[in-house]
Amino acid sequence: DAGVIQSPRHEVTEMGQEVTLRCKPISGHNSLFWYRQTMMRGLELLIYFNNNVPIDDSGMPEDRFSAKMPNASFSTLKIQPSEPRDSAVYFCASSLVGGVDEKLFFGSGTQLSVL
Amino acid sequence: SQKIEQNSEALNIQEGKTATLTCNYTNYSPAYLQWYRQDPGRGPVFLLLIRENEKEKRKERLKVTFDTTLKQSLFHITASQPADSATYLCALETGGFKTIFGAGTRLFVKA
Repeated sequence: DAGVIQSPRHEVTEMGQEVTLRCKPISGHNSLFWYRQTMMRGLELLIYFNNNVPIDDSGMPEDRFSAKMPNASFSTLKIQPSEPRDSAVYFCASSLVGGVDEKLFFGSGTQLSVL
Repeated sequence: SQKIEQNSEALNIQEGKTATLTCNYTNYSPAYLQWYRQDPGRGPVFLLLIRENEKEKRKERLKVTFDTTLKQSLFHITASQPADSATYLCALETGGFKTIFGAGTRLFVKA
């Protein structure tokens, strides 16, 4: 199993540009989570999906952020327009909730720098 | 407000000793609690899960306790090794499988 795959690994962009982060969860998992990590705020939950349906997006900072999960094997997190304060590491995680246990499997993250 | 607190200070211990990390929470009644390890530049990696009806769980040199009355979990690493140096994150299920994390505790094990 390749694990959770995120792309790109690093993204450097200029303020105002659109940024799209991608995630491929582990096959067979039914839940997908997007987290953001910074030194100041730690690991924050942005949104999570169950069976491709967004369940809780209360952590999404503002309307500039949007997330989709068009099918069980792909999700995107989009920031438009991006701002310097969006600079962080963005993690995607997947899980099989309702299984033996509900542990999260994390990807390697996308390091986003907005200049 | 709802909060998860972990030792904010880094923990420095000598190789071979037992490391004990604390996770306290308020205003939650989690069905389970998890501990993760995170190394620099990598995503968190799952270590242990303990459910609300379990008092203690062990895995090799790791032990987790869960006191739902005190709203506290303790995470122990016995016979610690320099390779155990990392950040350890406590995570709570807060309803509907939503999982939120504490800020983490950095552990340094000196040889």
